[in-house]
Amino acid sequence: QKEVEQNSGPLSVPEGAIASLNCTYSDRGSQSFFWYRQYSGKSPELIMFIYSNGDKEDGRFTAQLNKASQYVSLLIRDSQPSDSATYLCAVNQGGKLIFGQGTELSVKP
Amino acid sequence: GAVVSQHPSRVICKSGTSVKIECRSLDFQATTMFWYRQFPKQSLMLMATSNEGSKATYEQGVEKDKFLINHASLTLSTLTVTSAHPEDSSFYICSASSTGMETQYFGPGTRLLVL
Repeated sequence: QKEVEQNSGPLSVPEGAIASLNCTYSDRGSQSFFWYRQYSGKSPELIMFIYSNGDKEDGRFTAQLNKASQYVSLLIRDSQPSDSATYLCAVNQGGKLIFGQGTELSVKP
Repeated sequence: GAVVSQHPSRVICKSGTSVKIECRSLDFQATTMFWYRQFPKQSLMLMATSNEGSKATYEQGVEKDKFLINHASLTLSTLTVTSAHPEDSSFYICSASSTGMETQYFGPGTRLLVL
């Protein structure tokens, strides 16, 4: 079992729709969780992080964390073609980030 | 704030040569720097963690004699790929963090092609 799992996609949504990205993790002791966006050929850029159960909103992005079920998700509202990228879920384990394989999102105009 | 740079952005070398990649934190002092490798269509894999003034800690399966890491100052870490071979061709990305920071900040990456 991989430590951090994501559906590789591609996930295709129409412009203006909500994109939902999911991630599960195996280490129940993990405390902090991150979503990064990576455009093709570029390095990851941080979208947001979440520590507590529940929702955390930042603009069009909402991260959701459920520690009991060991999953974290990212919702992107009003998706734009510029949101097309690979989204990486990462879990902090002992100061190290463990990344999922990423979900490729394609937003169609 | 929290800007990390890498140099070079792209390098092509012949098999058997060594390549040095620099990672710099431009506006903060990085107590810890991380080196990742990413192959096409795959996720980031942590290679090693380095703390300023200490020896790097390598992940399982990463050869420390092949991937030499130096973190001599709070703003600079270097990764040297020694005797590079075509299978070492990859996207190498560093990140940096400091005490109190909530996450790591990534450099723009270095694309290495070994012919």
